[in-house]
Amino acid sequence: NIVLTQSPATLSVTPGESVSLSCRASQSISTSIHWYQQKSNESPRLLIKYASQSISGIPSRFSGSGSGTDFTLSINRVESEDFSIYYCQQSYSSLFTFGSGTKLEIK
Amino acid sequence: EVKLVESGGGLVQPGRSLKLSCAASGFSFNDYWMGWVRQAPGKGLEWIGEINQDSSTINYTPSLKDKFTISRDNAQNTLYLQMSKLGSEDTAIYYCARAEGLYPYWGQGTLVTVSS
Repeated sequence: NIVLTQSPATLSVTPGESVSLSCRASQSISTSIHWYQQKSNESPRLLIKYASQSISGIPSRFSGSGSGTDFTLSINRVESEDFSIYYCQQSYSSLFTFGSGTKLEIK
Repeated sequence: EVKLVESGGGLVQPGRSLKLSCAASGFSFNDYWMGWVRQAPGKGLEWIGEINQDSSTINYTPSLKDKFTISRDNAQNTLYLQMSKLGSEDTAIYYCARAEGLYPYWGQGTLVTVSS
């Protein structure tokens, strides 16, 4: 299985700050990485597909970058509604995997 | 509007079996792969597996391959997850999702609690 390692596990920020969340793959996966947001007691929501492609209806402050093994989800000027958990997921192999998540919390 | 509604969760004793269903609507069900993802209480997302349009290809995460069986009924627009030999480690919310290499649509999840 391809292992995805997300860091940090928890990120404490003040609203208005800009942040970067990391997802590292155990082998090269081209750009086959997708990002999700999960708020408490809700189903996950797709934010970014194929490393950097935007999703309709997702605010433009969310962006993604990277290829190979290192990927980043960036949030420009975090808003109060953004405090939640973020997961990456790979679709490079036929056996998909998720990262362990990064919790974005209010400082 | 794409809608996915899971059902069949509940309290089940260790060692028993349980079958979950996911009713799909708002899209052409037989045109898409479908998948299952679970989330244990307070934990992250765990990919269970996926099934293709005609059920000819089913992929599972290796650790669950011998316990779980994914199937579908295209005439009923329904996805299934048959779970056997359940243990406390299987206590989780089980989500179905429309699969496109990624998951743009998710159900609300159904809670399975394994306990005596």
